[in-house]
Amino acid sequence: AQSVTQLDSHVSVSEGTPVLLRCNYSSSYSPSLFWYVQHPNKGLQLLLKYTSAATLVKGINGFEAEFKKSETSFHLTKPSAHMSDAAEYFCVVSALSSNTGKLIFGQGTTLQVKP
Amino acid sequence: SAVISQKPSRDICQRGTSLTIQCQVDSQVTMMFWYRQQPGQSLTLIATANQGSEATYESGFVIDKFPISRPNLTFSTLTVSNMSPEDSSIYLCSVGDRENTEAFFGQGTRLTVV
Repeated sequence: AQSVTQLDSHVSVSEGTPVLLRCNYSSSYSPSLFWYVQHPNKGLQLLLKYTSAATLVKGINGFEAEFKKSETSFHLTKPSAHMSDAAEYFCVVSALSSNTGKLIFGQGTTLQVKP
Repeated sequence: SAVISQKPSRDICQRGTSLTIQCQVDSQVTMMFWYRQQPGQSLTLIATANQGSEATYESGFVIDKFPISRPNLTFSTLTVSNMSPEDSSIYLCSVGDRENTEAFFGQGTRLTVV
């Protein structure tokens, strides 16, 4: 069975400092992995996705994530946080090997950015 | 990509009543999904809406409580039946396709049961 664990429920950084949101996954096959962001009272937005191509994935708004099979990790990073990055972030794994859009969500990490 | 419209965007309902949520996609898609996001929680898959056949429900969700229709490849409805305050959540429609490698989400329906 597929699962995903976000290691921090809450992360607080100062504006301009690096962001690291940690995610570990479990999958019986080569997974597709995603990071989604949810701003307050807004819909879900895809930040980036890994689908067995390059292990370092670049997404929108300066975010990137590295797929590490040996560590079963897919951590999300950004070199310099902006106030607008404050939101809920979800690490997500595809539930099916065919990746038809059926997803399993992590519990989420709330990112707080302090001025 | 796909553009998904959900209606209503929010509603406040009396316990014991039912609410039907509509999901309209701007293109034909093979797979449609319904998720629930309880307050302060992550998203949980309720069911896969299959075109022309009965929906496939995840563990903990049943058809009597969450009946789903999928009359064609661009439209689906989710009904929350006999509502109780515990059903207060955001309900989201999502689409994915075998040719794509991501899921697209509607804006969600914020349901409050009083």
